[in-house]
Amino acid sequence: DTGVSQDPRHKITKRGQNVTFRCDPISEHNRLYWYRQTLGQGPEFLTYFQNEAQLEKSRLLSDRFSAERPKGSFSTLEIQRTEQGDSAMYLCASSLFSSGNGYEQFFGPGTRLTVL
Amino acid sequence: AQSVTQLGSHVSVSEGALVLLRCNYSSSVPPYLFWYVQYPNQGLQLLLKYTSAATLVKGINGFEAEFKKSETSFHLTKPSAHMSDAAEYFCAVSEGGSQGNLIFGKGTKLSVKP
Repeated sequence: DTGVSQDPRHKITKRGQNVTFRCDPISEHNRLYWYRQTLGQGPEFLTYFQNEAQLEKSRLLSDRFSAERPKGSFSTLEIQRTEQGDSAMYLCASSLFSSGNGYEQFFGPGTRLTVL
Repeated sequence: AQSVTQLGSHVSVSEGALVLLRCNYSSSVPPYLFWYVQYPNQGLQLLLKYTSAATLVKGINGFEAEFKKSETSFHLTKPSAHMSDAAEYFCAVSEGGSQGNLIFGKGTKLSVKP
């Protein structure tokens, strides 16, 4: 059984560089979510996809952030021109959306980003 | 707007003692409620969820939570703490509908003393 996987697990970059993270959801899960978690805080919603369509973006997702989910399978989250404030754990979650299933989300291990 | 408040950023108990982690929510519609656990440098694991069925919900690892609408609470309990329960616990709410994204509390770090 493979759960949600994320790559890389850790990324250290210099301010101003671009970074890209990948998330592979549980097979056949139609929804994929991205969250950001800073130290001492709970995860904060960034965006979500249903299949390949990006249905909502949080106001936390600035223009430097872009997410894609081509073909409705894996997803990528790119941050352009990174800033020190982008340092955080980026969590991916997937779910099989249907009315009444409680919207249970399965989380990956996260990608920890450090911007120097 | 939805929100979650977790009272106590840090709770310390002795091994074998009762664990009580508090969560209060705010929601304009009947909510779905969740408790997740996070171990250091790992993702979140679902402990239990409330989806408008039984108000007393049993989860994994001996945890349970009771939904109390009148108190807008969803506190997490475990009768007897184990050392392996030391972790950070997050309460989350979803209003359901077509979105389903979760709103998390700030978390409570549980320490278990031998």
